[in-house]
Amino acid sequence: DAGVIQSPRHEVTEMGQEVTLRCKPISGHNSLFWYRQTMMRGLELLIYFNNNVPIDDSGMPEDRFSAKMPNASFSTLKIQPSEPRDSAVYFCASSLSGSYEQFFGPGTRLTVL
Amino acid sequence: DQQVKQNSPSLSVQEGRISILNCDYTNSMFDYFLWYKKYPAEGPTFLISISSIKDKNEDGRFTVFLNKSAKHLSLHIVPSQPGDSAVYFCAASDPSGNTGKLIFGQGTTLQVKP
Repeated sequence: DAGVIQSPRHEVTEMGQEVTLRCKPISGHNSLFWYRQTMMRGLELLIYFNNNVPIDDSGMPEDRFSAKMPNASFSTLKIQPSEPRDSAVYFCASSLSGSYEQFFGPGTRLTVL
Repeated sequence: DQQVKQNSPSLSVQEGRISILNCDYTNSMFDYFLWYKKYPAEGPTFLISISSIKDKNEDGRFTVFLNKSAKHLSLHIVPSQPGDSAVYFCAASDPSGNTGKLIFGQGTTLQVKP
């Protein structure tokens, strides 16, 4: 299995631009999680989906962030407009529903200038 | 408010010695705990876990201890190897909703010196 796939691996953009991060979960997994890693807070859960339905988006920082999961094999995290404080590594993870073990993608390093 | 805390940002040990990484939590309802390991430019990978009904789980050089009364768990690596140098995240399973949601700590960077 290819594991969780994320793209792009690196993204550099200017403040005010729209950023879209993409994730393909492991085939057969029905839970998908978006995390942000920062030095201060470690791995923060932003939002998670179960069977393509958003279950909890309480971790999304503000309305500039949105996430979708149009089907079982694809999810996006969008930031519009982006700000320098959004600079971080964003991870996507997937799991079988109810399983404790999550499988992480390699992450997208976002830099907003 | 951080429900899972790793108060030591970094730890340095000599090869062959024991590494002890600590984690504290606040919610007594957490029912499962995991440790993840992360190398630079890679995503975290699962290392070892423990259920709240146990106080110890061992897997090769890695042992996790759980002290529920103190709301504390620790990861012991014996003997430590240079390849163990990585960031280690402690995570707790949120029991509400049975969704597999994990709450992570800030991470501890372990450096094992040859």
